[in-house]
Amino acid sequence: DAGITQSPRHKVTETGTPVTLRCHQTENHRYMYWYRQDPGHGLRLIHYSYGVKDTDKGEVSDGYSVSRSKTEDFLLTLESATSSQTSVYFCAISSLGGSTEAFFGQGTRLTVV
Amino acid sequence: TQLLEQSPQFLSIQEGENLTVYCNSSSVFSSLQWYRQEPGEGPVLLVTVVTGGEVKKLKRLTFQFGDARKDSSLHITAAQTGDTGLYLCAGYYNTDKLIFGTGTRLQVFP
Repeated sequence: DAGITQSPRHKVTETGTPVTLRCHQTENHRYMYWYRQDPGHGLRLIHYSYGVKDTDKGEVSDGYSVSRSKTEDFLLTLESATSSQTSVYFCAISSLGGSTEAFFGQGTRLTVV
Repeated sequence: TQLLEQSPQFLSIQEGENLTVYCNSSSVFSSLQWYRQEPGEGPVLLVTVVTGGEVKKLKRLTFQFGDARKDSSLHITAAQTGDTGLYLCAGYYNTDKLIFGTGTRLQVFP
């Protein structure tokens, strides 16, 4: 299995509080992605990174920010959590982009109350 | 609106039946991928199709990439209960942005 670890696995937080999710990889892959998964929407891309300190927005980036200061870590921050951000969040990595396989973490279930 | 639309959204069939899932886009992709996801897990790659018109077979699963590279299909022959899961198509948009379809949830009953 590809070495990807997401933390925490579960989190309940209150509306208006900041939340940071962490994705850690041991594969030295260049690309890292954050997705959210909601019923009826498959996986929607939030932000992705194509190298250290190189990030770009995805389809649903509003309300989220990311940082990648090391190859192995990609952080997703909800600056002020809202109930609409209740979701399951997945991190993925791939080595080259293009048509290469993406490997996924186990997911983080976030509930904003 | 998502770039990759899948149909149907839900599919409930009996064991032994055949089924087809579709993935459509208005954009051209250099390749498309199909992933399968089980509850509580992340998606896992089934196949990548890279050439327009390409057909790939994986045991009872047949994948096709449209000639114009805007669509793909997944056909399962003689479905089994073990095929139950969420099927997702995906493609790299602008080389490095990996986007996913809306998903098809398949339930196969014995």
